[in-house]
Amino acid sequence: GAVVSQHPSRVICKSGTSVKIECRSLDFQATTMFWYRQFPKQSLMLMATSNEGSKATYEQGVEKDKFLINHASLTLSTLTVTSAHPEDSSFYICSARGPPGQGWGAFFGQGTRLTVV
Amino acid sequence: DQQVKQNSPSLSVQEGRISILNCDYTNSMFDYFLWYKKYPAEGPTFLISISSIKDKNEDGRFTVFLNKSAKHLSLHIVPSQPGDSAVYFCAARLTETSGSRLTFGEGTQLTVNP
Repeated sequence: GAVVSQHPSRVICKSGTSVKIECRSLDFQATTMFWYRQFPKQSLMLMATSNEGSKATYEQGVEKDKFLINHASLTLSTLTVTSAHPEDSSFYICSARGPPGQGWGAFFGQGTRLTVV
Repeated sequence: DQQVKQNSPSLSVQEGRISILNCDYTNSMFDYFLWYKKYPAEGPTFLISISSIKDKNEDGRFTVFLNKSAKHLSLHIVPSQPGDSAVYFCAARLTETSGSRLTFGEGTQLTVNP
């Protein structure tokens, strides 16, 4: 199946700094990628939909100035958590819509565990 | 407003027996349903899906059933194996015009005991 690679898998940063998370589709072009956040023992919450070459669409309650999304190419989307605070600590996961012919199952990256200290 | 709900946070079964994971939804605009398996600190892995025009889809040990009138779907795993122990999420997709977003349930922790 299609492969989505997310980097880094784990990051610890100081409060007030910014962190960038990358999501790459390795063997297919992804015009649409999704960014999710998961709190412990909770569901995956969609944060935003990232479309190549256009502005991301953010879900209600998600601060677009805090969570900057860039989808500059068909294989790469980035999420930057700006001025991170401890409450931003979470598990962030990206997914990409699969290529034609591989069914419609969004393919997920490995996730990034962000800890803000 | 939780549009996709998995009411059982956990399920424990014996190896070799059937595991049945349930999921309910409220939005009749969902047209595609998926099940994912997730291990801690990893991204979800796609398992099986079903279109809203079908009522059953089978793939090896995994079968998904959809009851549209009840807005209910279930995942059957038979026979269950210890390696199936993980968190299972059901997800539903809105129609294509909505950008194909997925809405996830809360997940069910499945434990298969040897």
